[in-house]
Amino acid sequence: DVKVTQSSRYLVKRTGEKVFLECVQDMDHENMFWYRQDPGLGLRLIYFSYDVKMKEKGDIPEGYSVSREKKERFSLILESASTNQTSMYLCASSSRDSVRPYEQYFGPGTRLTVT
Amino acid sequence: AQKITQTQPGMFVQEKEAVTLDCTYDTSDQSYGLFWYKQPSSGEMIFLIYQGSYDEQNATEGRYSLNFQKARKSANLVISASQLGDSAMYFCAMREGGWTGNQFYFGTGTSLTVIP
Repeated sequence: DVKVTQSSRYLVKRTGEKVFLECVQDMDHENMFWYRQDPGLGLRLIYFSYDVKMKEKGDIPEGYSVSREKKERFSLILESASTNQTSMYLCASSSRDSVRPYEQYFGPGTRLTVT
Repeated sequence: AQKITQTQPGMFVQEKEAVTLDCTYDTSDQSYGLFWYKQPSSGEMIFLIYQGSYDEQNATEGRYSLNFQKARKSANLVISASQLGDSAMYFCAMREGGWTGNQFYFGTGTSLTVIP
């Protein structure tokens, strides 16, 4: 089974702190994604990476950056956390070579609270 | 314009009955994919079913089927014989842009409650 893990289930940070959210997948997937999920807004794509060191902006990249130094790991960075970044963050991965290349596998999510 | 529209914030269904969750989409691409995900209270997103834009048959996965009406741009999820464990949030999603496209859109979700 595909496994996508995220470093924390719950995280509380103060305004202005630098925050790192880590995501690791164990299925050698090329594509990795970071989403945020807010009530009434569904999931929104923050950043996407289709290869090591490659990244593309999603719908809401402002205030975030990402890093993909290794294929299995995709990090989301909040350079200076703000209260409006309080949300659930979901990481996902997918393979270009699978029978269903569009399918994404999700991690359990990190609920981040910025106070 | 919204790429994915789910107009039912909440739905109730009696156990063992069928339920349809609505989803409409907006795209000008010829090649795209449509998905449904389930999110139980634990938070993890679980893939349910996929429909490609060129697939002529409606997708089915066990008790889940996707009613794909391309001309109407709708991709409704049908759950047959509902079970208590089906109570969850359900998200419709679409991917545009081919193999390396990063355009992946989710709807706002429908909360389904199965009543014993």
